Amino acid sequence: GNSVTQMEGPVTLSEEAFLTINCTYTATGYPSLFWYVQYPGEGLQLLLKATKADDKGSNKGFEATYRKETTSFHLEKGSVQVSDSAVYFCALSAWSNYQLIWGAGTKLIIKP
Amino acid sequence: SQTIHQWPATLVQPVGSPLSLECTVEGTSNPNLYWYRQAAGRGLQLLFYSVGIGQISSEVPQNLSASRPQDRQFILSSKKLLLSDSGFYLCAWSAGEETQYFGPGTRLLVL
Repeated sequence: GNSVTQMEGPVTLSEEAFLTINCTYTATGYPSLFWYVQYPGEGLQLLLKATKADDKGSNKGFEATYRKETTSFHLEKGSVQVSDSAVYFCALSAWSNYQLIWGAGTKLIIKP
Repeated sequence: SQTIHQWPATLVQPVGSPLSLECTVEGTSNPNLYWYRQAAGRGLQLLFYSVGIGQISSEVPQNLSASRPQDRQFILSSKKLLLSDSGFYLCAWSAGEETQYFGPGTRLLVL
């Protein structure tokens, strides 16, 4: 079946450090892939998405590339800020009533 | 533009009391609607989804129920709350494509 695996958190970095949050998936067919971000006490916001292999989604300095050969969609940012502290969720489309399959989430803590 | 509202924002209820959480969407027609629960420090659990008025699919058997009385209204209910119902409840919508858009959430504490 379809599944998403994210690296466990929390991930703690210093400001201006390089960020990678790993996400790998198992799916039949060609799903779309998503990264959502949840700031403390808030709902989820779509951060970026990619709909086909080799697509790169990007937003707010974050980017992720849809790698079909490694079934991965790792989230990266070159220089993180304290305001990036949040929980990040990786997800894929299940093509069944448009449900999304969610990773467990990775908490990111950025220290000044 | 589309917006999604949830209320109340915070709710404290005693065990055994009823529950009604409301979600409404503006600016779109015939959305797919979703209820998720997020326990403290945990991931998302899909509870219910709906592809149209009166059409509800349940993902997890429990003492919660959902209804969709109007096209852009989605209600989560319980007749008797349990301690384990505490959590952060999120409503989301999608326009028939894959991306889901989330409301601000309702934090429920059952005491």
